Amino acid sequence: DGGITQSPKYLFRKEGQNVTLSCEQNLNHDAMYWYRQDPGQGLRLIYYSQIVNDFQKGDIAEGYSVSREKKESFPLTVTSAQKNPTAFYLCASTDRGYEQYFGPGTRLTVT
Amino acid sequence: GDSVTQMEGPVTLSEEAFLTINCTYTATGYPSLFWYVQYPGEGLQLLLKATKADDKGSNKGFEATYRKETTSFHLEKGSVQVSDSAVYFCALTTGDSSYKLIFGSGTRLLVRP
Repeated sequence: DGGITQSPKYLFRKEGQNVTLSCEQNLNHDAMYWYRQDPGQGLRLIYYSQIVNDFQKGDIAEGYSVSREKKESFPLTVTSAQKNPTAFYLCASTDRGYEQYFGPGTRLTVT
Repeated sequence: GDSVTQMEGPVTLSEEAFLTINCTYTATGYPSLFWYVQYPGEGLQLLLKATKADDKGSNKGFEATYRKETTSFHLEKGSVQVSDSAVYFCALTTGDSSYKLIFGSGTRLLVRP
């Protein structure tokens, strides 16, 4: 089955550590996205990539970094510079169309 | 800039009641409009969409009509079920080549038996 996988589902880290969230898709989609979701809020765009080896900042990119070395993969690194990293992180992709497909999400807790 | 405003929740209904969740938008150009649903602990699933004015999106008994004159895309269902309990997000695309989505804050729906 085609889809988007995110791993792990739950992630715990100590403050000051960088952590990388995985996102893989086998839909052959060109564009991929990372969103952050906080309780009671909508999704906010962190980074997006429309093609391999290229990516753009979204609305809340500070403290995050990404790479896009392969079409299928778009990992997100939450750095120690991110002041409030605890959140639910969602990855999505689209094939230059109107519908974005979402992964199941990773819940990151930093203490 | 572009934005989406949804009615605040939670919305609590009894099973078989009629559902309306209001959504209005502000956008330049001609956005496409979406409703996504999120069940507890999961990612988002597309519920329905409309790509131009007067289009009606529908799926699983839910409907929404793209009203350009009132800049609205209200979600409706004639008879809700307990299994419809979830968070519903209204969203629009910016219409440029990035296909970025702009989301409303979400509306939690709780359906009681």
